[in-house]
Amino acid sequence: TQLLEQSPQFLSIQEGENLTVYCNSSSVFSSLQWYRQEPGEGPVLLVTVVTGGEVKKLKRLTFQFGDARKDSSLHITAAQPGDTGLYLCAGEKSGSRLTFGEGTQLTVNP
Amino acid sequence: DAGVTQSPTHLIKTRGQQVTLRCSPKSGHDTVSWYQQALGQGPQFIFQYYEEEERQRGNFPDRFSGHQFPNYSSELNVNALLLGDSALYLCASSLGGLGVRYGYTFGSGTRLTVV
Repeated sequence: TQLLEQSPQFLSIQEGENLTVYCNSSSVFSSLQWYRQEPGEGPVLLVTVVTGGEVKKLKRLTFQFGDARKDSSLHITAAQPGDTGLYLCAGEKSGSRLTFGEGTQLTVNP
Repeated sequence: DAGVTQSPTHLIKTRGQQVTLRCSPKSGHDTVSWYQQALGQGPQFIFQYYEEEERQRGNFPDRFSGHQFPNYSSELNVNALLLGDSALYLCASSLGGLGVRYGYTFGSGTRLTVV
């Protein structure tokens, strides 16, 4: 059973477009992290959100944690080809293990 | 400041064989977690080592075992390899198991292919 559902699974857009990736769960997490992974590399942490309703911005990326701490979203404004990669959400409960979603493969075409 | 180092980067093994993968954590980190990432999927938690002991374990069979050394480096051993064990094996280090507070750092992984 996949505890974290990511959507969409695949996304192909043109440079300059906006996009939103969703991460949903029926479970409550103490925190949620977003990672970006490129082929042949390990995931790289983008952000950690801890408080329900929290919004964090990282340049053109906006991350939001749901009020109930069960879901999160990642919004990218004016996507660029360099944003191409696999975006993973990962929830952490007490005990410090990460539960990952299956990822969203984003392709930004020039 | 070296990040997480994993070796080897690629490995090809025959079904039924045994394999050992190695991980050196980021400088200053003392906790090592191992994940298995099948093609097109998110990483799945295998187990975590802290103070040379297995603290947590995911839903993996006993064929998967590990060890942590006094210098915090770690090994992942897989016995009786199956074709389904083919995956990218990721090592993540953190401090005191407090991944949320101090963050996880992942290595680039070992790509294991079982033929």
